[in-house]
Amino acid sequence: DAGVTQSPTHLIKTRGQHVTLRCSPISGHKSVSWYQQVLGQGPQFIFQYYEKEERGRGNFPDRFSARQFPNYSSELNVNALLLGDSALYLCASSLDAPVRGGYTFGSGTRLTVV
Amino acid sequence: QQQVKQSPQSLIVQKGGISIINCAYENTAFDYFPWYQQFPGKGPALLIAIRPDVSEKKEGRFTISFNKSAKQFSLHIMDSQPGDSATYFCAASSLYQLTFGKGTKLSVIP
Repeated sequence: DAGVTQSPTHLIKTRGQHVTLRCSPISGHKSVSWYQQVLGQGPQFIFQYYEKEERGRGNFPDRFSARQFPNYSSELNVNALLLGDSALYLCASSLDAPVRGGYTFGSGTRLTVV
Repeated sequence: QQQVKQSPQSLIVQKGGISIINCAYENTAFDYFPWYQQFPGKGPALLIAIRPDVSEKKEGRFTISFNKSAKQFSLHIMDSQPGDSATYFCAASSLYQLTFGKGTKLSVIP
């Protein structure tokens, strides 16, 4: 079975641009979460979606948005990119929400804002 | 604000030695405590996890010790191997999110 797949793997954007990151969860998993990991730090929670509804939101500005599709895949959108948005963006999938077991993370999308 | 404090920031251990990483938390609403292992260029991978009603859990060379009253938990890696060299994150789960520590970079030298 495929794990959590994220695309693209690397991305370079200019300040002020918009970016869309994509995630496909493990088959059968209905919940997708997004995390931002700045170099040298632990991942920070951005969003969790379950059954296409937002179930949790971290302390990120409104420039960050996400959605989940009927097939449970998800997109993370970031508008008006800042240099500080440069990070590894991780998608995690889980069977349900609230999560009773573990999260499985993808390998992430490395976003560089120049 | 929910916090998980992790120490040490970096750790060097000789092959065959014991690696110990400690974490402390503040929010008593946390109900699940996983440890993740992350290699460069990869996402975090679940290593082992514990619930607060258990004081210790062992899986192979990896053991979590949990002290609910002190709000502390730790990861012990026995017989550390060079392949264990990675960054380790403790985390705490509540409802819809994981709160991570800042990570410990472990280097196991031959």
